[in-house]
Amino acid sequence: AQTVTQSQPEMSVQEAETVTLSCTYDTSESDYYLFWYKQPPSRQMILVIRQEAYKQQNATENRFSVNFQKAAKSFSLKISDSQLGDAAMYFCAYRGMDSNYQLIWGAGTKLIIKP
Amino acid sequence: ETGVTQTPRHLVMGMTNKKSLKCEQHLGHNAMYWYKQSAKKPLELMFVYNFKEQTENNSVPSRFSPECPNSSHLFLHLHTLQPEDSALYLCASSQPGTDEETQYFGPGTRLLVL
Repeated sequence: AQTVTQSQPEMSVQEAETVTLSCTYDTSESDYYLFWYKQPPSRQMILVIRQEAYKQQNATENRFSVNFQKAAKSFSLKISDSQLGDAAMYFCAYRGMDSNYQLIWGAGTKLIIKP
Repeated sequence: ETGVTQTPRHLVMGMTNKKSLKCEQHLGHNAMYWYKQSAKKPLELMFVYNFKEQTENNSVPSRFSPECPNSSHLFLHLHTLQPEDSALYLCASSQPGTDEETQYFGPGTRLLVL
């Protein structure tokens, strides 16, 4: 069975600096999707970025980028120029191609932004 | 928060009460989900509806009863809950047939069972 591990329960970063959140996963599938979701204190879960496993190029969305290492089964999220609004829980999630729409979730990382 | 809405946002109920959570999506999606979110635990998928048909029930106790009258609405009927059922209940929707099947979430209902 697939699993997703986020080894950092909490991270903090100074405003305007860069922070990297780690995520590792275990799967025997060769094709799948990976996601990072953000959940601010207001609780709405928002998609930050997604990556298709068959694409070698790392996904980028403005200040958010991923470092996808397929062989190592690693999918880290880099946030550049951190802003106060980035403070949230960040969840990594995996979806196989034949998973009947199910996402496998990590336990989350709480990101604290220091002004 | 207009894509997926949930009501109520907060709910306190006794163990003998019956209540319902409501979810509505305005995205034209055909799949809807109920998740349970407890502190410091991964999201737990409870139910999946695809084109109004329940396609997944992850060993959820019968005191939770889902209902999906159409592709835009999803309910979670609650009865004789236990204190350990206190959690944030999240609804999500997605569009089957798209490669990434991105799920879009509502704001959640914070449930406290006394």
